[in-house]
Amino acid sequence: QQPVQSPQAVILREGEDAVINCSSSKALYSVHWYRQKHGEAPVFLMILLKGGEQKGHDKISASFNEKKQQSSLYLTASQLSYSGTYFCGTGSIIQGAQKLVFGQGTRLTINP
Amino acid sequence: GAGVSQSPRYKVAKRGQDVALRCDPISGHVSLFWYQQALGQGPEFLTYFQNEAQLDKSGLPSDRFFAERPEGSVSTLKIQRTQQEDSAVYLCASMGFPEAFFGQGTRLTVV
Repeated sequence: QQPVQSPQAVILREGEDAVINCSSSKALYSVHWYRQKHGEAPVFLMILLKGGEQKGHDKISASFNEKKQQSSLYLTASQLSYSGTYFCGTGSIIQGAQKLVFGQGTRLTINP
Repeated sequence: GAGVSQSPRYKVAKRGQDVALRCDPISGHVSLFWYQQALGQGPEFLTYFQNEAQLDKSGLPSDRFFAERPEGSVSTLKIQRTQQEDSAVYLCASMGFPEAFFGQGTRLTVV
């Protein structure tokens, strides 16, 4: 079952912050975050494996609430290069392997 | 190879034609996924493999879609009697740890 992302689209000025949310109705093993630019393949940003874990690099971080089956991606002091569509992927273990399904995406536009 | 390779990159098929899309995963990756991505949408799960075993094919839209990975490496997604609604980008991903690596996709246009 697909995770649900919100909002569907965000428009920011350079330097502003954004939060993208992802929720699932299923018990999760992991949450993956990807960014896709137009005409390109999705690129991995980070994975969260434990409840309540928070990860980040540079000005992009994420949290994962395992009990609520929710994750949030935080982009601070956004840069023009952050523009693109962000997808969360939720992983669940089936027959010993991790099945990965993606949300519908959040389109992020950063204006100068 | 260094990454996931998909071929062809672009395919134009006449309605009713059969097509075969190929995915070469990263060497050693046991999990392989196929997704269908329509314009402006997220990747929709089609099916996935662990080695040669197809663990879940619940996302395949119809019995015209068939995927295989006979030796646990290269995978082929076959679409029989293509229809216009099959037009999309088909993405393949292989999973290492921790992340899944995507190929560039095959853009299928059915005319």
